[in-house]
Amino acid sequence: GAGVSQSPSNKVTEKGKDVELRCDPISGHTALYWYRQRLGQGLEFLIYFQGNSAPDKSGLPSDRFSAERTGESVSTLTIQRTQQEDSAVYLCASSSQRGLQETQYFGPGTRLLVL
Amino acid sequence: AQSVTQLGSHVSVSEGALVLLRCNYSSSVPPYLFWYVQYPNQGLQLLLKYTSAATLVKGINGFEAEFKKSETSFHLTKPSAHMSDAAEYFCAVRYFGNEKLTFGTGTRLTIIP
Repeated sequence: GAGVSQSPSNKVTEKGKDVELRCDPISGHTALYWYRQRLGQGLEFLIYFQGNSAPDKSGLPSDRFSAERTGESVSTLTIQRTQQEDSAVYLCASSSQRGLQETQYFGPGTRLLVL
Repeated sequence: AQSVTQLGSHVSVSEGALVLLRCNYSSSVPPYLFWYVQYPNQGLQLLLKYTSAATLVKGINGFEAEFKKSETSFHLTKPSAHMSDAAEYFCAVRYFGNEKLTFGTGTRLTIIP
């Protein structure tokens, strides 16, 4: 079956511009996560959606970052007024239900470069 | 703070040799533990996970990991390395009451022919 998909796969933007990244989770997965992977570093949690509950935004690094999710489908991560330090790979993951044992399935990521 | 540490950002082993990638967690409460692999230009793929059912966990591609509470460790091993094992490996933890995964900084595994 189809896995998690993300678009675009690569994005080059100029400092100060806004960017929007998209994630299509696996169909039927109620939980969706965004992570950021900077060069040479591990993954940093950004935000978590579970069904219709209020999202866990505790990992968002600044108010320039926001994310939305419509129901249990597509999510978009928006970065406003991009800075060079935002350059990273942004990864999306989904899982079938809430639970510590549930496996998160990752998409291929969007590689963002801010010039 | 709850965290996970991977010792060695780069590990090189000869083809056919033992692979050992180290992961230690910091918590008084045993977490759920995961190993993910990231092949070049691909997303993360789950190798295996520990969920308290058994301390020795077998995963895909011949990898396994042993949970040792006394050492707060969850090291990843494979008896005989293959060229296709070259990738970056991430250890991750998840604690009760927290939905997110906390990742280590990763270990890049290189296989020497």
